[in-house]
Amino acid sequence: GNSVTQMEGPVTLSEEAFLTINCTYTATGYPSLFWYVQYPGEGLQLLLKATKADDKGSNKGFEATYRKETTSFHLEKGSVQVSDSAVYFCALSGSGGSNYKLTFGKGTLLTVNP
Amino acid sequence: DAGVIQSPRHEVTEMGQEVTLRCKPISGHNSLFWYRQTMMRGLELLIYFNNNVPIDDSGMPEDRFSAKMPNASFSTLKIQPSEPRDSAVYFCASSLVDYGYTFGSGTRLTVV
Repeated sequence: GNSVTQMEGPVTLSEEAFLTINCTYTATGYPSLFWYVQYPGEGLQLLLKATKADDKGSNKGFEATYRKETTSFHLEKGSVQVSDSAVYFCALSGSGGSNYKLTFGKGTLLTVNP
Repeated sequence: DAGVIQSPRHEVTEMGQEVTLRCKPISGHNSLFWYRQTMMRGLELLIYFNNNVPIDDSGMPEDRFSAKMPNASFSTLKIQPSEPRDSAVYFCASSLVDYGYTFGSGTRLTVV
């Protein structure tokens, strides 16, 4: 079945540091890939997505590239801010048919200190 | 649009009581999902509906859990009887196509 593996947290950075959160996946076919962010006390929000190999998703300074050869979708940001402190989830959606299920990784807690 | 609306935001109940969680998806979305989030197990998909029809309920933990979607604008998740191990945050999400969900703010359930 489909699965997503994220680097375990927590990750603690200083403001303006470079961020990488690793994500690899196992899936059949051609899944779509997503990063979601969850701020304290809130639901998950879609951060960015990529639907085919070599696509780059980007939003709010965050980027991730769909790498089919390495089955990866690592999240990066060049300069993090305190407001980026949250839990980040990598996820995939199965390809084809009516398979709309999202499979999530376990999440990575990011704390950014001033 | 107001987004996915869940109620109540918080629920505290005694073991053995019936609990009903409610969800109003975004108008026009044809898929609805119920997830449970705990520290130990992360996000677990409980059940999802497509065009109001349950497609996959393999994540429902046991017969104490049931979900319905009587129409395109409303869904319920019921736990009867509730147990302390059901304590979690329950999220509802809706989508139109498989390009990402919109989540509600969740219901924090505490069973004492």
